[in-house]
Amino acid sequence: AQSVTQPDIHITVSEGASLELRCNYSYGATPYLFWYVQSPGQGLQLLLKYFSGDTLVQGIKGFEAEFKRSQSSFNLRKPSVHWSDAAEYFCAVVGYSSASKIIFGSGTRLSIRP
Amino acid sequence: EPEVTQTPSHQVTQMGQEVILRCVPISNHLYFYWYRQILGQKVEFLVSFYNNEISEKSEIFDDQFSVERPDGSNFTLKIRSTKLEDSAMYFCASSEALSGAVTDTQYFGPGTRLTVL
Repeated sequence: AQSVTQPDIHITVSEGASLELRCNYSYGATPYLFWYVQSPGQGLQLLLKYFSGDTLVQGIKGFEAEFKRSQSSFNLRKPSVHWSDAAEYFCAVVGYSSASKIIFGSGTRLSIRP
Repeated sequence: EPEVTQTPSHQVTQMGQEVILRCVPISNHLYFYWYRQILGQKVEFLVSFYNNEISEKSEIFDDQFSVERPDGSNFTLKIRSTKLEDSAMYFCASSEALSGAVTDTQYFGPGTRLTVL
């Protein structure tokens, strides 16, 4: 069955520092992968998505993610975080056999240290 | 920028009561979804809806749940007889369904927090 694992429940980084949020997926075929962000009181906003092609994907707000098939990973990165990046981040996958169902990871809460 | 809206933002109900959660998807979107997130747990898929019928549903979406598009703008989730374990944040989402739902971006609303007492 398809699944997504985010091993880090909570991460704190200093403002201006680099960020990497980890995501591992389990899926037999080529997965479609997403990163969503949820700010307090807001809905889920899509940061970026990977379907095929270049394994380094650029997203909004300066985020990028790299798909590594050999490691079944899709880690999210940002070179320099801003205080406004404090939020909950969800990695997600959708399988071709289940076209409309997004499967979410448990989320990583990001805190920013001033 | 167009967005998905949901009402109410917070609903409190007694166990056994019926609730209807409302969503207004983005106007030109054709695929609609409901997800829920129990406090401290993952966001879980409930149901997808296309062309006035359920496209896919999860095992959570039992006979107590139903969805409807009563007019050209609203998309509703009804829970007939609420249970304590239905307390959760419920998210509505929509997508354009241009090339098949799997590659469409799902746009999420801010959620309705349902509390069952």
